[in-house]
Amino acid sequence: NAGVTQTPKFRVLKTGQSMTLLCAQDMNHEYMYWYRQDPGMGLRLIHYSVGEGTTAKGEVPDGYNVSRLKKQNFLLGLESAAPSQTSVYFCASSYATGNTEAFFGQGTRLTVV
Amino acid sequence: AQSVTQLGSHVSVSEGALVLLRCNYSSSVPPYLFWYVQYPNQGLQLLLKYTSAATLVKGINGFEAEFKKSETSFHLTKPSAHMSDAAEYFCAVSGVQAGTALIFGKGTTLSVSS
Repeated sequence: NAGVTQTPKFRVLKTGQSMTLLCAQDMNHEYMYWYRQDPGMGLRLIHYSVGEGTTAKGEVPDGYNVSRLKKQNFLLGLESAAPSQTSVYFCASSYATGNTEAFFGQGTRLTVV
Repeated sequence: AQSVTQLGSHVSVSEGALVLLRCNYSSSVPPYLFWYVQYPNQGLQLLLKYTSAATLVKGINGFEAEFKKSETSFHLTKPSAHMSDAAEYFCAVSGVQAGTALIFGKGTTLSVSS
């Protein structure tokens, strides 16, 4: 099993450009999450989804949009990239909330210049 | 809203010494609590989780954590540190209600010296 796969692994964007990060999971999980990791800030939740067709805002949603058209995929979009969005982005999925384990992708390192 | 606070952004120990990483949670109802580990340039993986079945939880690689409701704490310990334990450790909390997300603390970097 591949688990959680993030595409791409690295990307450099110019300010104002747009891009979409793709997260795919093959575990039939209901919940999917997008986090950003910055030094000293831990992982901060951007958006999450509790099922196909649903999304919800996390702690730091501004500047990002998401879509969950298919259960196995969770897309994170940056419409107009800013240098403040330079970060490592992690996708995760879990069967449910509560006491179930979340499985993480390997991360996407995004630099906005 | 639920949250966790990790005390100490950086902990240094010698090989063979006790490891203690601190985590306190904020929740009106005892939540589900987790410890995850992140090795350099990798994603996170689960070390252990508290699910109310037992207050002392054993995880992988010799780590354990004790849930103390009176102190709202879930500290991570390991009796004897190994060089391979050097990593970043995250405490996380999830609510008991459906639809709640997994929220992480800011992390503690563990350094192990020989």
